[in-house]
This record gives sequence, structure tokens and C-alpha cells, in this order.
Amino acid sequence: AQSVTQLGSHVSVSEGALVLLRCNYSSSVPPYLFWYVQYPNQGLQLLLKYTTGATLVKGINGFEAEFKKSETSFHLTKPSAHMSDAAEYFCAVTMRTPMDTGRRALTFGSGTRLQVQP
Amino acid sequence: KAGVTQTPRYLIKTRGQQVTLSCSPISGHRSVSWYQQTPGQGLQFLFEYFSETQRNKGNFPGRFSGRQFSNSRSEMNVSTLELGDSALYLCASSWGTYNEQFFGPGTRLTVL
Repeated sequence: AQSVTQLGSHVSVSEGALVLLRCNYSSSVPPYLFWYVQYPNQGLQLLLKYTTGATLVKGINGFEAEFKKSETSFHLTKPSAHMSDAAEYFCAVTMRTPMDTGRRALTFGSGTRLQVQP
Repeated sequence: KAGVTQTPRYLIKTRGQQVTLSCSPISGHRSVSWYQQTPGQGLQFLFEYFSETQRNKGNFPGRFSGRQFSNSRSEMNVSTLELGDSALYLCASSWGTYNEQFFGPGTRLTVL
């Protein structure tokens, strides 16, 4: 079984400040890891993913995340927050399985709502 | 390429009714998954379809069902609606090695 823990249901930062959203996972085998963002009344948009290779992954809108196996973490960062970053962010994990096995279900964390203060 | 589309975007039903939601995946994507999002329970997996077959199911009662057609479009059905079924229902499609799922805008279901 796999699980995802996101520390902090609400995070508030000032515009221009560093954004750090925390995600820890639990999985019996190395998983694939994702960060999604959700704006009000919209679906989920993929920010970035870790599948294999380089442990520091870059995504859209200036976000990046680092996979740390020893810490079972996949924290999301952005050097300088912008007002448009205000949204809810979800960390998700899934098993490394072939597409037709029916085991692509994402397990999500509970989400972190990011507020950006002017 | 067009993204994942879901219809309708909003629905209001009363308890005891049934509802059908539709999802059209990204062209070429053969895997479709459904998720329920509520403030209390967060995002929960409902079921996953691949090549018209349900391959995986989450922990939901049998009132929740779905199907996938030969063109990969999918529908989910909820019978005998309860107040607790009020939620945002999200569909996601997937293709390729890395389980990357692309989400639609969701259908907001309100049960009165």
C-alpha cells in the first residue's frame, strides 16, 4: 500500500518569497511521484513528475522538486512566489506498472493551499 | 491536441435519483480513471478502465459504476444518489510509460 503526507494544509508566503511545500510518501517499491496544482473550479494540472533518472525535476511555472529516497520526500519549491501561484497543490504517487495492468491509480495527499500575500 | 473533456460541468439532482457523467479522453489515450473530490475526504480513486475493461476499483459502494467504449470515451453512473455523493468528479486519461494522468475540468454534482 502507498500513502502520501503533505505537511501543512495552508501555507502563506509573501510575493517574491521562497515557496516550499512538503510531501512525504510511503511505498513498498519506488514509485512515480507527481505534483499537481488546482485552481478554483478547475481540474488538476500537472506541474512536474519524477519517474527515473535525475532526482531534481523541473516543472512548469518555475517550480521544481527533488526526490530524496533516503528521506522518502518529494518537496516542491519555487524561488520566488507570484500572486498567480495562489492555488491548491497536491502531491501524488503511483506504482511503476505497465499501462494495461490497471494499477495506475494515483494516491493523493490531502493538499496544501498556498496563499501569496502582496 | 484537445484536453480531457467532461460533460456536464454542473449537475443538480435530488436524493434517490441516478446520474451519468461523461468523459472524453485525450486522443490516443486508452486509459481512463475517475476520482471523487470532496472537502472531507479529498481526492479518492473510483475506478480505472483500459481497453473497455475495468482494471481497478476503489473502495466505493456498488452504486458507483462505469464503462468505457471502444473509442475510449468513458461514463460513470451513480444510482440512488445520497447527499454525501455531492462532489467534484474528475476524469483523467493516460498513455505511456510513466502513469502520467491528465485531468479534465470535472463535473460538479450537487445532491439535494
